Order: sequence, then C-alpha cells, then structure tokens
Amino acid sequence: SQQGEEDPQALSIQEGENATMNCSYKTSINNLQWYRQNSGRGLVHLILIRSNEREKHSGRLRVTLDTSKKSSSLLITASRAADTASYFCATAGSNDYKLSFGAGTTVTVRA
Amino acid sequence: EAGVTQFPSHSVIEKGQTVTLRCDPISGHDNLYWYRRVMGKEIKFLLHFVKESKQDESGMPNNRFLAERTGGTYSTLKVQPAELEDSGVYFCASSPLFLARGTEAFFGQGTRLTVV
Repeated sequence: SQQGEEDPQALSIQEGENATMNCSYKTSINNLQWYRQNSGRGLVHLILIRSNEREKHSGRLRVTLDTSKKSSSLLITASRAADTASYFCATAGSNDYKLSFGAGTTVTVRA
Repeated sequence: EAGVTQFPSHSVIEKGQTVTLRCDPISGHDNLYWYRRVMGKEIKFLLHFVKESKQDESGMPNNRFLAERTGGTYSTLKVQPAELEDSGVYFCASSPLFLARGTEAFFGQGTRLTVV
C-alpha cells in the first residue's frame, strides 16, 4: 500500500509566491526525500532529511519533518515558472532498502 | 559522469506482444531499482537488485514481468505478454548505498509504455 501521501494533489500559484505541500506517511522511517519531476523527464532529487532532523534548507527549498505526526512539508519560496513540476515525497524505512513514494503534488506556477 | 539511462524512451505495443526495457545505472552503483507510475497515481516500487541479485521483488505485479541484471551492470525488464493495464512510465534508479542509509536515488528519464 502507499506509504507517502502528498497534499494537495494540485497547486496553482503566481510567480513569486510561495508554494507549500505536505506529505504524510504511515510507518517509521530512516529518512524522507523530496523529488521533482518536470514534464516528460525523470525524477530529480531535491533534498533529504533524516529522522533525527527537524528542518533543512537548500536554496529556495525548506523541508520540515515531524516524526511524531509522521508528516513532512516542502516549501518553495519565491516560485518561478521553472518550478512547474510534480513533487513527490519518498520515505526510506529503517529496515527497508527501497523508497516508497506517494502520488505527488502537481505545482503550476503562472507567469 | 553519465547518469542513469533508459531505453527506449517511448514504446507503443499491442496487447499480447512482448517488450523489453533496458536500464544502465551509474557506473559503480550496486543498487538498482525499478519503479512504475500508472496514469497520475503513485510511483510504485517493482524490484531492487544488489549487484546481480534480486534483493526485493515484492512489487512485481505478476509473472508476466521478468527482470534481470546479468553481471551486475545493466538491467532489463521484460513484459510478456503485455496487457492494457501495464501502460505507464517505468523508471529505473540506482544508488551507491542502501537508501535507508541516507543516500539519494538517481533516476533515469523513464520509459513511457503504451499498450493498445
């Protein structure tokens, strides 16, 4: 069954605005990763946060992790048209060798 | 350094035919994964190789799917015979370490399979 679930399913924002999407998961994890997929392309790794970390930054990206609530959020600040893509959270379990993905959030940034 | 490459990028086949997808991981990556995304749904795990051995094939949908990784280098995923519900995008990924150890997975661009 699906481990990660992203919310919302779709998001449309104006260029320059911030975009926030959430991810909930079911079982304990070793780390949580966010990936982006631009139309017709492969998945690109954005950021990894370990289970003992609460917040991480990378450029315009900010990720939080709340293991007590089994949830994570991805914030993209000052969005650009090039941020238009699908965003997926993926979890790696403590005794698991694979990543488990959700269905993703489709983000559209309007110029 | 070359990334993960997949071939073909697109394939349209008729129901009942056979298709073979290929994945070349990043050189030196022992771990190779196959995933599939069906029309807007979640990306589902199919299987995981460590070198040439199948570590986990719990996601393979049925015995019409056969994956191999001879010599621990490139991998193939064969679907025989293909059914309509096999349509989707098949992703391959590789990583140097187990993903639970905090490494990222490097993905190919995917193969879009359409069964008509």
